[in-house]
Parts: sequence; structure tokens; C-alpha cells
Amino acid sequence: GENVEQHPSTLSVQEGDSAVIKCTYSDSASNYFPWYKQELGKGPQLIIDIRSNVGEKKDQRIAVTLNKTAKHFSLHITETQPEDSAVYFCAASKEGNNNDMRFGAGTRLTVKP
Amino acid sequence: EPEVTQTPSHQVTQMGQEVILRCVPISNHLYFYWYRQILGQKVEFLVSFYNNEISEKSEIFDDQFSVERPDGSNFTLKIRSTKLEDSAMYFCASGPTQSNQPQHFGDGTRLSIL
Repeated sequence: GENVEQHPSTLSVQEGDSAVIKCTYSDSASNYFPWYKQELGKGPQLIIDIRSNVGEKKDQRIAVTLNKTAKHFSLHITETQPEDSAVYFCAASKEGNNNDMRFGAGTRLTVKP
Repeated sequence: EPEVTQTPSHQVTQMGQEVILRCVPISNHLYFYWYRQILGQKVEFLVSFYNNEISEKSEIFDDQFSVERPDGSNFTLKIRSTKLEDSAMYFCASGPTQSNQPQHFGDGTRLSIL
């Protein structure tokens, strides 16, 4: 089955700096890769996703890149703000079979003012 | 924006007792999921449900677990005889189609087994 690895487990940046979180996946058939943000006491909230037919997607300060050959994808947050502090999870699943989404272990991002 | 709602937010139960966790998915969604998150660990897939039957389940989802959609709005997870290691956050999620539209998560139920 699919195995998703996520690094780093913790990340601390200064406000205004960029943050990058990286994930790798094992199943080459996976083709849908969402990123979730989880704040304390809340469920995971989707912030951005990418499908395998594109290599990059951007939404304001957030971007995701995908390298299908290397089987890795990354989340980039620019101009970080204290409210970006949370745990971020990557995940992977297969098109047409959204039944078994596998998550990475999470990255605790702290943005220091 | 439509939300997935879960009740209760916190459930405390004695070991060996049955517990039912409840979820109201987003109303026009067709796929329903349960996930578990042990404190400080990753979110783990338990089960998916479509067209009134389980479509996939993980190795965690053993015979003590069951799911049901008793009416047009609720989706429940039952744990028949709880164990200490069942203590975790349980998240319900729903998704609109089978084509990888994003899953939307509720805020979870914290289950504490004593």
C-alpha cells in the first residue's frame, strides 16, 4: 500500500520568511495530493491540492510542487505570518478511488513574530 | 460554507463499553469516511462508505468497528467493546464524488477510554 513520508517534523521560521515542507510517496499510481492544515482542537482543513497532471499550483502565498518521477511533492509558504502556525499534513491517494487516503506524519510549523 | 459536524466533541467511556460516534456529512456529498488520530501521531484511514456499504477499510478497522448511515443525514461509527488503545481523536470526512474532489473533515470527537 501507499506510504507517505513527511519532513521536517518541526519547523520554526521568522515572520516574513518562507517555509518548505516536503513529502515523498511510494505508490506510483497515486495521483491526487492534498495538503491539510490542522489547528489545535480542530479537524484538518484543506489548504491546497494538486493532481498529477500538473507540476505546480499556486494560491496566493501557498504553492505546491509535484515531481512524479521522483515521487515527491512540496508545500511552499511565502511571507509567513504567525497565524500560519499549525500542523501541516500532506496526503496521497488515487484518482477515481478516493477511498484510502494516506497521510504523512505532519509538520509542526511555528512562525515567530 | 457547508461543514461536517461531529458529536459529541468529547466522549469518556469505560473500557469494554460500546460507544457510538456521530457525524453529519455535507448534505450533497456521497462518500463518507472515518479517520483516527492518536495523540501526536498521523491521521490514519479507518473506513470509507458509499452507496450504503463499506467500500474500503484499513487493517485498523477490525470486527469491533462498524459504520452505519441510519438515515439520510447521519453517519455513525460504533466501537463494540472499547479498549484503552482506542483512545484517540476520531474524524469524520465527506467527499462529493469519486474523482478525488477534496475530503472535508469535521472537528473530531475525542474518545477517552478509562
